[in-house]
Amino acid sequence: DAKTTQPNSMESNEEEPVHLPCNHSTISGTDYIHWYRQLPSQGPEYVIHGLTSNVNNRMASLAIAEDRKSSTLILHRATLRDAAVYYCILVGATNKLIFGTGTLLAVQP
Amino acid sequence: EAQVTQNPRYLITVTGKKLTVTCSQNMNHEYMSWYRQDPGLGLRQIYYSMNVEVTDKGDVPEGYKVSRKEKRNFPLILESPSPNQTSLYFCASSFGRVYNSPLHFGNGTRLTVT
Repeated sequence: DAKTTQPNSMESNEEEPVHLPCNHSTISGTDYIHWYRQLPSQGPEYVIHGLTSNVNNRMASLAIAEDRKSSTLILHRATLRDAAVYYCILVGATNKLIFGTGTLLAVQP
Repeated sequence: EAQVTQNPRYLITVTGKKLTVTCSQNMNHEYMSWYRQDPGLGLRQIYYSMNVEVTDKGDVPEGYKVSRKEKRNFPLILESPSPNQTSLYFCASSFGRVYNSPLHFGNGTRLTVT
């Protein structure tokens, strides 16, 4: 099964963009790339997902490398409420989820 | 309000005493699943269900059972809990094929087995 690799932690300043990387070098052609985040004492929350093309929604943007072996979640203007653990997840047609280790994002005021 | 509801939020039990953690969703979702979260290990999938009466093993199914008799409910059963099942458990649901649909998570059940 394909795995993901993320940095353990990152820091950002409030109102600045944040780029959260994820490596998935063994991704298969049918795996979608999902991002979730988890705030303290809460369940994970969906952020965004994509297959091959870059994606944008009200929360974030997802940039997918041309070879699909890596992706980047972009928070355009970080706020204190964005401080959370961010998970990069590969989801295949078998519907089996493989969670990464997650990146703890700290946002400084 | 659309939500996934887990009960109880906290549970302390003893080794070998059967327990059930309930999960219910009010969004008419076909897909439901259970995860456990442990420090340093992230979230790991226990079981999932594509629809009523259809269940499949995730990454760590040993020691757990599930059933899907109704679309809205997906209980997690520990027939004989052991201390290594002490963990934070999350239930989640999705409208369609999870590879192309957001997962909605409950707020978690913290289980302690002594």
